[in-house]
Amino acid sequence: GQQLNQSPQSMFIQEGEDVSMNCTSSSIFNTWLWYKQDPGEGPVLLIALYKAGELTSNGRLTAQFGITRKDSFLNISASIPSDVGIYFCAGIQYSGGGADGLTFGKGTHLIIQP
Amino acid sequence: EAQVTQNPRYLITVTGKKLTVTCSQNMNHEYMSWYRQDPGLGLRQIYYSMNVEVTDKGDVPEGYKVSRKEKRNFPLILESPSPNQTSLYFCASSSGGGPDTQYFGPGTRLTVL
Repeated sequence: GQQLNQSPQSMFIQEGEDVSMNCTSSSIFNTWLWYKQDPGEGPVLLIALYKAGELTSNGRLTAQFGITRKDSFLNISASIPSDVGIYFCAGIQYSGGGADGLTFGKGTHLIIQP
Repeated sequence: EAQVTQNPRYLITVTGKKLTVTCSQNMNHEYMSWYRQDPGLGLRQIYYSMNVEVTDKGDVPEGYKVSRKEKRNFPLILESPSPNQTSLYFCASSSGGGPDTQYFGPGTRLTVL
């Protein structure tokens, strides 16, 4: 399947700092998604992006669909302790028969020091 | 409450002993999917189903079977489990006919000895 390169793998930051992470691919994706996973739970959808260049916010989170359709970015402003977790990007490619499944990045582990 | 449930949540078994992990959703979703999560590899899709009686392979289908006889249920079957199938498994469902707005279940941690 396709591969998504997500970076950084982990981040150690101070509470209140802004966070940036990104996801890149050699292939074009039609939809980009960002998820957060807390320990012992399944991923939860944060933001879905459907158009190249799209910029979407969800509270302190902002994500962008790259103009080339091969990348996406997630920013978290003024981080708080509950932002700790693993953030995953995911991409969907569509063919004539519909979605060809969902490909995930390997995750960014966010650790916040109070 | 809208949810995806998986059973069992934890399972330890031995090589070759057939097992089934059940998945059920109460949201009348058409799309359902199974993923496995392994350290350093992230989440990888095993199988997905766009509707009843329609299933397709994901990225890592080898060693797994699924069925979709009813809309709400999507069991994952391991006919002859092997140690390399030790993993954390997630079921997910979504309403839009595709995987873009998926709700994930709580996960099933499987250990194959």
